[in-house]
Amino acid sequence: AQKVTQAQTEISVVEKEDVTLDCVYETRDTTYYLFWYKQPPSGELVFLIRRNSFDEQNEISGRYSWNFQKSTSSFNFTITASQVVDSAVYFCALIGTGNYQLIWGAGTKLIIKP
Amino acid sequence: DTGVSQNPRHKITKRGQNVTFRCDPISEHNRLYWYRQTLGQGPEFLTYFQNEAQLEKSRLLSDRFSAERPKGSFSTLEIQRTEQGDSAMYLCASSLYPFGPNTEAFFGQGTRLTVV
Repeated sequence: AQKVTQAQTEISVVEKEDVTLDCVYETRDTTYYLFWYKQPPSGELVFLIRRNSFDEQNEISGRYSWNFQKSTSSFNFTITASQVVDSAVYFCALIGTGNYQLIWGAGTKLIIKP
Repeated sequence: DTGVSQNPRHKITKRGQNVTFRCDPISEHNRLYWYRQTLGQGPEFLTYFQNEAQLEKSRLLSDRFSAERPKGSFSTLEIQRTEQGDSAMYLCASSLYPFGPNTEAFFGQGTRLTVV
């Protein structure tokens, strides 16, 4: 069975603080892909990053960084120097080569206070 | 190409009425997915198409729900005899298959359905 767990339902921080969103996944597939999406109040899902199971290099994109660790089945997302515009619901998702369907976590609501 | 387009963006309907939503995927994408998202939850898979063929339907998709993709381009999702529990955001996504390391699922902005 495949599963994605985002244990943090809501996080609230003050602007400019760093914040980490956790994602833990389960899959029996040896090849799989992990994603993070952002869903702002407007409702659309915005793609942030994709990582395949063979690439454990951490990635940094501006204020965003991702830490992929296969040993702990985690794919955590950190926002450095958070801004109010980062306020949104963030979803972690998994797609395995077994059925090619996106399996979603429940999402973490991030609130950045000015 | 302006991405995945969904219409309408919002729909309010009375219980018992039928509603139909439309999704226009990215033109070269052969896969099209429908998801339903309720407040505070991640999207739940409903069904997907490979070109015009509907390959899988979730158990969430009751007999009142039907989806089509007649020419392998746009898709429609119809809900008959709507119930209040159908109130949700209905999301459409498209992607290329076979799925490779560079494949993404592109999502539309969704149709928010409210059944009163």
